[in-house]
Amino acid sequence: AQTVTQSQPEMSVQEAETVTLSCTYDTSESDYYLFWYKQPPSRQMILVIRQEAYKQQNATENRFSVNFQKAAKSFSLKISDSQLGDAAMYFCAYRSANNNNDMRFGAGTRLTVKP
Amino acid sequence: KAGVTQTPRYLIKTRGQQVTLSCSPISGHRSVSWYQQTPGQGLQFLFEYFSETQRNKGNFPGRFSGRQFSNSRSEMNVSTLELGDSALYLCASSSGDSFYEQYFGPGTRLTVT
Repeated sequence: AQTVTQSQPEMSVQEAETVTLSCTYDTSESDYYLFWYKQPPSRQMILVIRQEAYKQQNATENRFSVNFQKAAKSFSLKISDSQLGDAAMYFCAYRSANNNNDMRFGAGTRLTVKP
Repeated sequence: KAGVTQTPRYLIKTRGQQVTLSCSPISGHRSVSWYQQTPGQGLQFLFEYFSETQRNKGNFPGRFSGRQFSNSRSEMNVSTLELGDSALYLCASSSGDSFYEQYFGPGTRLTVT
């Protein structure tokens, strides 16, 4: 079964600085999708960024970018120019490209942004 | 477009009772997935419905069931509630394509006493 591991339960960053959240996953499949979700204190989960495994180019969405290392099964999220509104729980998620597989989430990393 | 809505937002039930939670997906979305979120177990996938059929199922006991209606609205039912069922239940909708973005609702906070 696929597993997703986020080894950093908590992270802290100074406003305007850069922070990287780690995520590793275990799978025997070659075709899959990876996601980073953000869950602010209000609890509504929001998709931050996604990556197709077949794409070598790392995804980027404004201040958010990923470092996707397929061979190492690593999918880290980099947040540049951190803002107070970035404070939230961040979840890494994996989904197989096959329709019969569910979405697997990591345990989450709580990010604190210090003013 | 209106977002994913879940009702009720909060619920308190007693052990042994049953509960039904509702989820209305974004208009046009045909897939609805349910997740259980607890501090100890994190986010766990319950099941996914697509066009009124259960397409995927997580590793939960048969007390957890669901269904989807022709308008894509979905309900989740938990029978014979246990204290351990206390959790935030999240619903997410998507278009249902193999590579899709899931949009989450605000969740239903269920407390079992």
